[in-house]
Amino acid sequence: EAGVVQSPRYKIIEKKQPVAFWCNPISGHNTLYWYRQNLGQGPELLIRYENEEAVDDSQLPKDRFSAERLKGVDSTLKIQPAELGDSAVYLCASSLRGSGGVETQYFGPGTRLLVL
Amino acid sequence: AQKITQTQPGMFVQEKEAVTLDCTYDTSDPSYGLFWYKQPSSGEMIFLIYQGSYDQQNATEGRYSLNFQKARKSANLVISASQLGDSAMYFCAMRGSNDYKLSFGAGTTVTVRA
Repeated sequence: EAGVVQSPRYKIIEKKQPVAFWCNPISGHNTLYWYRQNLGQGPELLIRYENEEAVDDSQLPKDRFSAERLKGVDSTLKIQPAELGDSAVYLCASSLRGSGGVETQYFGPGTRLLVL
Repeated sequence: AQKITQTQPGMFVQEKEAVTLDCTYDTSDPSYGLFWYKQPSSGEMIFLIYQGSYDQQNATEGRYSLNFQKARKSANLVISASQLGDSAMYFCAMRGSNDYKLSFGAGTTVTVRA
């Protein structure tokens, strides 16, 4: 079974430029998450989707960040315009509630963004 | 709100020896789940092991075991018979019963020496 796929793996841009990240979750997983991981820290949630609905975007900086999951499968996270402080690893994860209610999130390899 | 604390920024372990990674947590949820993830230099977060707050026994998965002490609010990861491939960053995370968000600790870097 294929895991969570993310692209690109690396991205270097100049500040004020736009950037987009793409994620394809594990097949059949209806919940999708975007996390941001700053250097030396654990990931922090940006947004969570249940199918195509964003059910938790409280941590998403909406002035410059946007996300979509139009058909409830793959998702795109966009930053426009990027700032120096946006340099981080952007991780996508997906999950499926299993028997007994345990829901494990499986992560992709992430996109490492460097803003110059 | 949940808080995860990992006090060991880095650890060295000799190959084939066991290593314990500390994790303490704070939550007001009566029901919660605890997770450990491994993050090698490639960047992917790899799920290792899960412990539910009402589980009677400590979780085990191959060479990974979780030393769960509910009263002390600790969920330490034990890696037995360390291998060179175990060198990575390890994160403890938790999720409340009504919150799908994972709260992560700051991580512990493990370096296995030959």
